[in-house]
Amino acid sequence: KQEVTQIPAALSVPEGENLVLNCSFTDSAIYNLQWFRQDPGKGLTSLLLIQSSQREQTSGRLNASLDKSSGRSTLYIAASQPGDSATYLCAVGSYNNDMRFGAGTRLTVKP
Amino acid sequence: DGGITQSPKYLFRKEGQNVTLSCEQNLNHDAMYWYRQDPGQGLRLIYYSQIVNDFQKGDIAEGYSVSREKKESFPLTVTSAQKNPTAFYLCASREDRGAKNIQYFGAGTRLSVL
Repeated sequence: KQEVTQIPAALSVPEGENLVLNCSFTDSAIYNLQWFRQDPGKGLTSLLLIQSSQREQTSGRLNASLDKSSGRSTLYIAASQPGDSATYLCAVGSYNNDMRFGAGTRLTVKP
Repeated sequence: DGGITQSPKYLFRKEGQNVTLSCEQNLNHDAMYWYRQDPGQGLRLIYYSQIVNDFQKGDIAEGYSVSREKKESFPLTVTSAQKNPTAFYLCASREDRGAKNIQYFGAGTRLSVL
């Protein structure tokens, strides 16, 4: 059974700093990996989707990388802003359409 | 506006009562999902449905029931058998676009016990 771990559980940084969120998974036979943002009391918003054949995806100040062999993905946020404060969830998709979620990293960007 | 609508936003359950959470989508997606989210934990799958009139148990189906009579609707009933129902419930639908496999989420329903 796929296990997904996100470290750290919480992170606080000053505005403008570049930061990296980590996601690790136990089974490298994945179909895709998705990073989501969740604001308090809200649903999930998809940020980036990486297919198993890809190494990275970029959207604006966000860059997600995937290393299947080591079971890791990172989400890089450049020039962080207070509006980036949220919980970031990593989800690993399998070939049977199953999706496993990490517990998330709660990010606070201080002005 | 295309999307997934969950209602109500907040729900309170009395002991011994069954309550139903609504999930409606107008994205024309075949597959729909129900997840439970507890503080400090990832989302856990309760039930999923790949097509109308078919659904499968997820990892934590005990104490829950679903139906899928229409493509657009996938309601979740939290029965009195679910002894710890307080949680945030998220509904999702899946888009199969070529090789992609993307889930879209509703805004969630927070269920509390009175």
